Amino acid sequence: KNQVEQSPQSLIILEGKNCTLQCNYTVSPFSNLRWYKQDTGRGPVSLTIMTFSENTKSNGRYTATLDADTKQSSLHITASQLSDSASYICVVTPTGGGNKLTFGTGTQLKVEL
Amino acid sequence: DTAVSQTPKYLVTQMGNDKSIKCEQNLGHDTMYWYKQDSKKFLKIMFSYNNKELIINETVPNRFSPKSPDKAHLNLHINSLELGDSAVYFCASMGQGIFHEQYFGPGTRLTVT
Repeated sequence: KNQVEQSPQSLIILEGKNCTLQCNYTVSPFSNLRWYKQDTGRGPVSLTIMTFSENTKSNGRYTATLDADTKQSSLHITASQLSDSASYICVVTPTGGGNKLTFGTGTQLKVEL
Repeated sequence: DTAVSQTPKYLVTQMGNDKSIKCEQNLGHDTMYWYKQDSKKFLKIMFSYNNKELIINETVPNRFSPKSPDKAHLNLHINSLELGDSAVYFCASMGQGIFHEQYFGPGTRLTVT
């Protein structure tokens, strides 16, 4: 079982709508949690980075939240655009892990007209 | 200026051949990675180097051998290619510190026939 699980696996929403992607992790202790966006045919790009002590971090229309007690994180996308269609990946860095980031299974988001 | 570059972008070869993928970063980062992304889009770490020294070596077959001639370059050589090696390979680099972003290359799509 992967140490970082994401849900849903895939999601289709209409342009302009909001959505929330979930990430549950068992990595503990950890130094930071990241959300990446990966467009088709490209490498992942960092959206947010949160330390274990942070609860929320925003980057434009993207807002990530973190609950270290329940080991859950979410990525909220506001007023979705067609360009938001991509895979979103939750990544956790274990403390003392020597930069060994643990990648989640990803959520494939499709935004339609 | 491209931060992390990989060559080639596409590689089609026959089983049993030996091939190399090159990676270069111009960000001055100490840490570089190789990841394999399979058809299910899961990113799996293969190797990580810190300042030319191997620090992460996941259970990757001996046919895969990374080489870091200097901290800006991390190449991947694959011997005796197999059908199961078909995937997209991503190089990445990251600076020191928990807030440092990880930058990915554009990926190399390897197809073994």
